[in-house]
Amino acid sequence: GAVVSQHPSWVICKSGTSVKIECRSLDFQATTMFWYRQFPKQSLMLMATSNEGSKATYEQGVEKDKFLINHASLTLSTLTVTSAHPEDSSFYICSTIGGHYGYTFGSGTRLTVV
Amino acid sequence: GENVEQHPSTLSVQEGDSAVIKCTYSDSASNYFPWYKQELGKRPQLIIDIRSNVGEKKDQRIAVTLNKTAKHFSLHITETQPEDSAVYFCAASRSGGNEKLTFGTGTRLTIIP
Repeated sequence: GAVVSQHPSWVICKSGTSVKIECRSLDFQATTMFWYRQFPKQSLMLMATSNEGSKATYEQGVEKDKFLINHASLTLSTLTVTSAHPEDSSFYICSTIGGHYGYTFGSGTRLTVV
Repeated sequence: GENVEQHPSTLSVQEGDSAVIKCTYSDSASNYFPWYKQELGKRPQLIIDIRSNVGEKKDQRIAVTLNKTAKHFSLHITETQPEDSAVYFCAASRSGGNEKLTFGTGTRLTIIP
């Protein structure tokens, strides 16, 4: 089946710094990537949808200048959390959809901002 | 946009008994309804899904039913086992394009040995 590799799996950063999370589709072309955020004991909430070669579409309430998404190729999408604060600490997970594979999820990134 | 509600939020059942989790959705155009099992710190794992042209689907101990008219779908797990303990999420989307999944609020299922 389809595989999406997400890195890093966990990261600790200082408040005010930026963190980049990468998702790579290893065996198919991911024209669309969804980025979700999951706070402890809560559901997955869609942050934004990125399409290869175009600007991402952000969900209501998600700051596009804070959560920068780049989808420059069919195999790589990145999410950069800029000027991170403790309230940004969460589990971030990407997902793509393609052909008969349906929705494929990355392994997630646990971000802790201290 | 789509809104998916899920009940109950927590569920405890004796090992061997059945568990039922229910979801309702708001967008009548949604036509794809997957169920995911998520363990702590892990990605969601698809356990079963159903499309709107089908009313019921079964895979061993797991079944899903869909009522399009009422806009609700349910997950049924029979002969529960301790390894079924996890958080379960329902979701809905309009498939056929690059459509986002909207998740329910989740159900923490605990199987009591």
